[in-house]
Amino acid sequence: DIVMTQSPDSLAVSLGERATINCRSSQSVIYTSTTRNYLAWYQQKPGQPPKLLIYWASTRESGVPERFSGSGSGTDFTLTISSLQAEDVAVYYCQQYHSTPLTFGGGTRVEIK
Amino acid sequence: QVQLQESGPGLVKPSETLSLTCTVSGDSISRYCWSWIRQPPGKGLEWIGLIYNTGNTNYNPSLKSRVTISADTSKNQFSLKVTSVTAADTAVYYCARDRMAGTFSWFDPWGQGTLVTVSS
Repeated sequence: DIVMTQSPDSLAVSLGERATINCRSSQSVIYTSTTRNYLAWYQQKPGQPPKLLIYWASTRESGVPERFSGSGSGTDFTLTISSLQAEDVAVYYCQQYHSTPLTFGGGTRVEIK
Repeated sequence: QVQLQESGPGLVKPSETLSLTCTVSGDSISRYCWSWIRQPPGKGLEWIGLIYNTGNTNYNPSLKSRVTISADTSKNQFSLKVTSVTAADTAVYYCARDRMAGTFSWFDPWGQGTLVTVSS
């Protein structure tokens, strides 16, 4: 199994400031045949299902604000919220789809400082 | 717009079988893979397994011996059965579409989720 490890577990950021969430996979999630990173990011608010933000590690889903961006390659990835808004308070998860079993990181809770 | 809706009992007794159905509207289940994912209260997400558009299945080894996923294309539904449940199976169960046609991938959209509690 590919183990996904997120850090930190939680972070508090002031409104308008940058939030950075890290995700590390226990093995590379790049397929050499496609040179793509098989990694997605989700946002989950209380009582709601996860919402897709990013796939292929850096492709923003349609309708997702530009302040959300994904970066990284191989085993190390980052989700950045460039200017935190009140509505961004949530738990964020990374997920690899390189191979089954499909696995998620443990989640990072983002709060307002 | 594709929508998914889980349905099934919210309370299951220990050692019995948990059964859930996901009804899909706005898309045919014959085009994509469809997954079940669960989330214990206050915890993270665990992928349970998926059914391919071909009808083949792929399960998480951690649950494989107890899980069956099936599909009814005539009703545009797919289902989950988990046998011999214990309190550890208490979770919100989500159904979701794997976004790349014909293979597993990221999940979008998701159903709203249904809480299943295992208790006598």
